[in-house]
Amino acid sequence: QVQLQESGPGLVKPSETLSLTCSVSSGSMSSSYWTWIRRPPGKGLEWIGNIYYTGTTSYNPSLKSRVTISADASRSLFSLRLSSVTAADTAVYYCARITYDGPPGDYSYYMDVWGKGATVTVSS
Amino acid sequence: DIQMTQSPSSLSASVGDRVTITCQASREIALYLNWYQQKPGKAPKLLIFDASHLVTGVPSRFSGSGSETHFTFTISSLQPEDVATYYCQQYDNLPSFTFGPGTKVEI
Repeated sequence: QVQLQESGPGLVKPSETLSLTCSVSSGSMSSSYWTWIRRPPGKGLEWIGNIYYTGTTSYNPSLKSRVTISADASRSLFSLRLSSVTAADTAVYYCARITYDGPPGDYSYYMDVWGKGATVTVSS
Repeated sequence: DIQMTQSPSSLSASVGDRVTITCQASREIALYLNWYQQKPGKAPKLLIFDASHLVTGVPSRFSGSGSETHFTFTISSLQPEDVATYYCQQYDNLPSFTFGPGTKVEI
């Protein structure tokens, strides 16, 4: 069963860039989408963006100007970079796998495997 | 953009109670709606996909229904281990996903 693990600094200074990596173990990155989700303290889940194993990306419009998601399938990992952070970016960041399943043209899409989460605090 | 709303935002019920959460989409999304459970300090867990399909291994007391703009998530008999926040999520406008604001369930 695929397992995911987030890693990266737990403290980032305002205006700097947040960088996290998600390591994928016990499985291949092929034929899946991979995504980053965050949950700010006291708030709900927010989708940040996706990357397909081929490298195609899509981002939340509210974060698009600051977000970059990349992947290295040969090393079984994908990464998140969020620039110009502020206190509003303080959150638990999760990586997850998006599985698509079913007949072509009518796929179901769901986030079925999640990492445990990485707490990132933006503070000077 | 598709906006998702959930009601109630929180609820308190007794063990054995039937609990119902509603999720509404700002426009029609067919059956492209998933439900997740997030327990305190844990990662979210997929419970239901495509509005009503229960994930293998998830207890049958959980169920989902609905289509287009109105969806319902039900716990038929609330258990202590069901204390969590529940989120709906739409994927009608792929590759984007949108979560509802969540419903906190307490006992």
